[in-house]
Amino acid sequence: DIQMTQSPASLSASLEEIVTITCKASQGIDDYLSWYQQKPGKSPQLLIYDATSLADGVPSRFSGSRSGTQYSLKISRPQVDDSGIYYCLQSYSTPDTFGAGTKLELK
Amino acid sequence: EVKLVESGGGLVQPGRSLKLSCAASGFSFNDYWMGWVRQAPGKGLEWIGEINQDSSTINYTPSLKDKFTISRDNAQNTLYLQMSKLGSEDTAIYYCAREEDYSSSLDAWGQGASVTVSS
Repeated sequence: DIQMTQSPASLSASLEEIVTITCKASQGIDDYLSWYQQKPGKSPQLLIYDATSLADGVPSRFSGSRSGTQYSLKISRPQVDDSGIYYCLQSYSTPDTFGAGTKLELK
Repeated sequence: EVKLVESGGGLVQPGRSLKLSCAASGFSFNDYWMGWVRQAPGKGLEWIGEINQDSSTINYTPSLKDKFTISRDNAQNTLYLQMSKLGSEDTAIYYCAREEDYSSSLDAWGQGASVTVSS
């Protein structure tokens, strides 16, 4: 199985910062990487697919990138509403695997 | 509007079986791969498996392959998850999700069905 190592596990950021969350794949996944946001008591929502493509309706302050087998989600000038838990998912080979999640708190 | 609605969750005794349903609407169900994801209390997301449009290909995460069965009824626009030999470790929220065509990302999710395994 492909392992997705996500970091950090949690972070606290101000509204003026740039927030970066990373997922490192244990092998190449050909950009079959998506990012999800989950708020308490709600189902996850797709933010980014194909590593860099913004899902419909997602604000442009969210962006995705790749360097080697490390994938990053960046939130530029986050809003209070961006608090939640973020997950990456590789769908290059089954079983698909999620990262462990990053809990983002905005102060 | 794309809509996925899970049902069939509840309290079940250890060792028993349970079948979840996911009713789809707002899109052409038989054009999409569909999948199941679960989340134990306070834990992260776990991919359970997926099924293709005509049920000819079904993939599972290895640890659940002998306990869970995914199926679908395209005439009824419904996805199913049959769970057997349930244990406390299967207590979770179970989500159905639609897979986007090319990226296999999960672009639509249901609200989740809660399953509690306890005597």
